[in-house]
Amino acid sequence: DIVVTQTPLSLSVTPGQPASISCKSSESLLNSDGKTYLYWYLQKPGQSPQLLIYELSGRFSGVPDRFSGSGSGTDFTLKISRVEAEDVGIYYCMQGADFPYTFGQGTKLEIK
Amino acid sequence: EVQLVQSGAEVKKPGESLKISCKASGYNFPIYWIGWVRQMPEKGLEWMGIIYPSDSDTRYSPSFQGQVTISADKSVSTVYLQWSRLKASDTAIYYCTTGTVSGYDSWGQGTLVTVSS
Repeated sequence: DIVVTQTPLSLSVTPGQPASISCKSSESLLNSDGKTYLYWYLQKPGQSPQLLIYELSGRFSGVPDRFSGSGSGTDFTLKISRVEAEDVGIYYCMQGADFPYTFGQGTKLEIK
Repeated sequence: EVQLVQSGAEVKKPGESLKISCKASGYNFPIYWIGWVRQMPEKGLEWMGIIYPSDSDTRYSPSFQGQVTISADKSVSTVYLQWSRLKASDTAIYYCTTGTVSGYDSWGQGTLVTVSS
C-alpha cells in the first residue's frame, strides 16, 4: 500500500493568518496520464468529509480561493492564505493513484 | 445534483449479521466507482473497498478483504456493505462515496454502526 504521512497533526491559527499542511507519499502519485492523484479533504465537526482539492491543485466547485494545493511526485502542500473561523476541522490528504487508496492521519485545525 | 443517502444507525450484538445501504441519485449510477470508508471512534478515514456497479467489479483493501462484502443493485441504484459476523471492533461510522467530477467528490451522511453485547 502507498503510505501517506501528514504533518503537523495539529495546528492552531489566528484568524486572517496563513496555514500550511504537508503530505508525503511513499511512492510517486504522478500517473502516466500526466495527472497527480493527490486529494485534500476537510471534515468539519460532525460532518462527512468534503473535497477541497483534486488532482494536486484543482479547486473543487464552491471551494474558496484561499485554499490552494501544490507539490509534485511525493511531496505536497495544502495552503490556506487567510484562515477563517469556518475552516476548523480535520484536513486529510488522500492518494488516489493506486488502490487501496489511503488517507493521511489527518491534521486538526483550530482557531486561536 | 448527486445525492448519496445512507441507511440509518444500527445497534447490533457481536456475532450478528448486518447489511447497510447507500442509495444514489442524480447521476448515471452504473458507470462510476462507488466506495465505502470507515471511521472508527475519534480516528481517521480508512478505505474499505470500491465497486463498479455496471459489472460489479469489486476491489477490497487488504485490511477488509474477507471481513466484509460490498455489492450493488443497479435496478435501485444502491450499494451495500455487509457483515456476516460483527465484532465489537466494527463499531464505527461508515461512509459511502463516489466521484462524478473528480476524485471522490460526493459523500453520504454516514451510518453509525454500534456493536456491543
